[in-house]
Amino acid sequence: DTGVSQDPRHKITKRGQNVTFRCDPISEHNRLYWYRQTLGQGPEFLTYFQNEAQLEKSRLLSDRFSAERPKGSFSTLEIQRTEQGDSAMYLCASSLLRPTSNTEAFFGQGTRLTVV
Amino acid sequence: GDSVTQMEGPVTLSEEAFLTINCTYTATGYPSLFWYVQYPGEGLQLLLKATKADDKGSNKGFEATYRKETTSFHLEKGSVQVSDSAVYFCALSGKGSQGNLIFGKGTKLSVKP
Repeated sequence: DTGVSQDPRHKITKRGQNVTFRCDPISEHNRLYWYRQTLGQGPEFLTYFQNEAQLEKSRLLSDRFSAERPKGSFSTLEIQRTEQGDSAMYLCASSLLRPTSNTEAFFGQGTRLTVV
Repeated sequence: GDSVTQMEGPVTLSEEAFLTINCTYTATGYPSLFWYVQYPGEGLQLLLKATKADDKGSNKGFEATYRKETTSFHLEKGSVQVSDSAVYFCALSGKGSQGNLIFGKGTKLSVKP
């Protein structure tokens, strides 16, 4: 198992363009999370999935953001009509929820988005 | 809402010095508490955790004790090494999930030889 992987690692886009990021969680993990981290700040929760169901969305997730996890495996995060304020590191994490416990969250290395 | 406050950095220490990074939290209920570390060029890694009051988490010489009475989870290490240079994040779990985390702003530690 190679851990949580994210693609691409870096993305530079022009303002107004759409971008899509991919996250592949650890294979047996049923929970998948997206976070955003700006310079000098800690990660901020965006949304999470349990299997294919999106169970919670933060107020930070504006209408321009959409996340999917169609088969309960990999996930995509799309940002439409990007703005300079979207420039950040987008982190994905996964964990395994069991009936009586939840493993720690394992993080990917992130996708750094720069909107110019 | 729930929040985490940790001491601002950067913190610069000499090798073998004692380290304390303060972390306090505000939460409803009884959250789990975590310290994550981010080494240069790498992703976030869990350093240690504590799931209930008076629990002590420990790993790689680092320790933190869950203090409910002071709502604190301070990170300590008796003798830091150059390889400990990294950014350290205190975090708590929200709503019973160990993945839905609320993070502090991070404290950058630099250890000089």
